[in-house]
Amino acid sequence: DAGVTQSPTHLIKTRGQQVTLRCSPISGHKSVSWYQQVLGQGPQFIFQYYEKEERGRGNFPDRFSARQFPNYSSELNVNALLLGDSALYLCASSLWADSYEQYFGPGTRLTVT
Amino acid sequence: GESVGLHLPTLSVQEGDNSIINCAYSNSASDYFIWYKQESGKGPQFIIDIRSNMDKRQGQRVTVLLNKTVKHLSLQIAATQPGDSAVYFCAENGYQAGTALIFGKGTTLSVSS
Repeated sequence: DAGVTQSPTHLIKTRGQQVTLRCSPISGHKSVSWYQQVLGQGPQFIFQYYEKEERGRGNFPDRFSARQFPNYSSELNVNALLLGDSALYLCASSLWADSYEQYFGPGTRLTVT
Repeated sequence: GESVGLHLPTLSVQEGDNSIINCAYSNSASDYFIWYKQESGKGPQFIIDIRSNMDKRQGQRVTVLLNKTVKHLSLQIAATQPGDSAVYFCAENGYQAGTALIFGKGTTLSVSS
């Protein structure tokens, strides 16, 4: 079975631009979470979505937004990119809304210049 | 084998040794913990989890120990192999936003043959 998939693998953007990252969860998993991992640190929680509804939000500015589709895939959008947004963006899926057992995708490496 | 009492950012061992990686978690309310392995350029890979009603759990070549009294978690890897070289993170549920996982500081394990 395929694991969590993310696209694109790498992305280079300029300050002020907008970016959309995509994630497909493990088949049968209905919850998707997004994390940001800055180089040298552990992942930091951004959002959780379940059944197209936001279930949790981390301490990130409103420039970050996300949505989940009926097929449980998800998109993360970041507007007005800053240099500090350069990071590995990870998507994790789990079976249910209250399941902490999360499986991560390979991530999207975003570089903002 | 090598063991560390406090969190250290790096751990170097010889192939065949046993490795022990330690982690201090932050929230007394946390009742679920996961260890992840992250290889360079990849997303975190689920290794083993443990709930707070247990103090030990074993997997294939790995054992997780939980000491709730001092909020301490450890991962023991038996007969460490070069393929075990990676950054290891512990994570707790923490009961914050949604099913956000709170990640500790990673430990880089280097295995020499």
